[in-house]
Amino acid sequence: SYELTQPPSVSVSPGQTASITCSGDKLRNKNICWYQQKPGQSPLLVIYEDNKRPSGIPDRFSGSTSGDTATLTISGTQAMDEADYYCQTWDSSTSVVFGGGARLTVL
Amino acid sequence: QVQLMQSGAEVKPPGSSVRVSCEASGGTFSNFSFTWVRQAPGHGLEWMGRIIPNVDITTYSQKFRGRVTVTADQSTRTAYMELRRLKSEDSAFYYCARETVATFIDYWGQGTLVTVSS
Repeated sequence: SYELTQPPSVSVSPGQTASITCSGDKLRNKNICWYQQKPGQSPLLVIYEDNKRPSGIPDRFSGSTSGDTATLTISGTQAMDEADYYCQTWDSSTSVVFGGGARLTVL
Repeated sequence: QVQLMQSGAEVKPPGSSVRVSCEASGGTFSNFSFTWVRQAPGHGLEWMGRIIPNVDITTYSQKFRGRVTVTADQSTRTAYMELRRLKSEDSAFYYCARETVATFIDYWGQGTLVTVSS
């Protein structure tokens, strides 16, 4: 089965840039989404089709893919960005696949 | 604005079944798929399956195939997820969400907590 691998945790200082990676086989050929989930809340779509932002998502959130690694970048990280972040794609049978999630801590 | 309203929390004994509903308001219903994701406390997101209501096509995760059924009633704009032969490990929040397959999952319900306990 297809797998996506994320680091369990990422730390960043306020105002700095946070990068959260997601790796998977031939990921460059797949559409990638990123979701933010804060405690007690449902996931929120922040990036889709690798690098597009839904309406209402601040432009400090961006996405990119290089080779088999996708990266969610948060520029000028704020305390409110502290959350769990999940990458997601679809496998060859259109089943949804999530990464294990990365906890972003803003120190 | 699309809203997905899920049914309330459930406590079920091991071996029983649970059915969670998800009523959609706003936007179109049939042209999208409705996907189900669960999350055990302190764990990550796990996809279970989906239904495309206007063609009644379902796809299931291999992990849950045979134990889960996803259905939809277009007249009431409601999707359902039934999980059978419940085990303690099935205790989790269950989310429905609207999915455009291979593009994004853009709207999520509030989640339904299912607790499996004797």
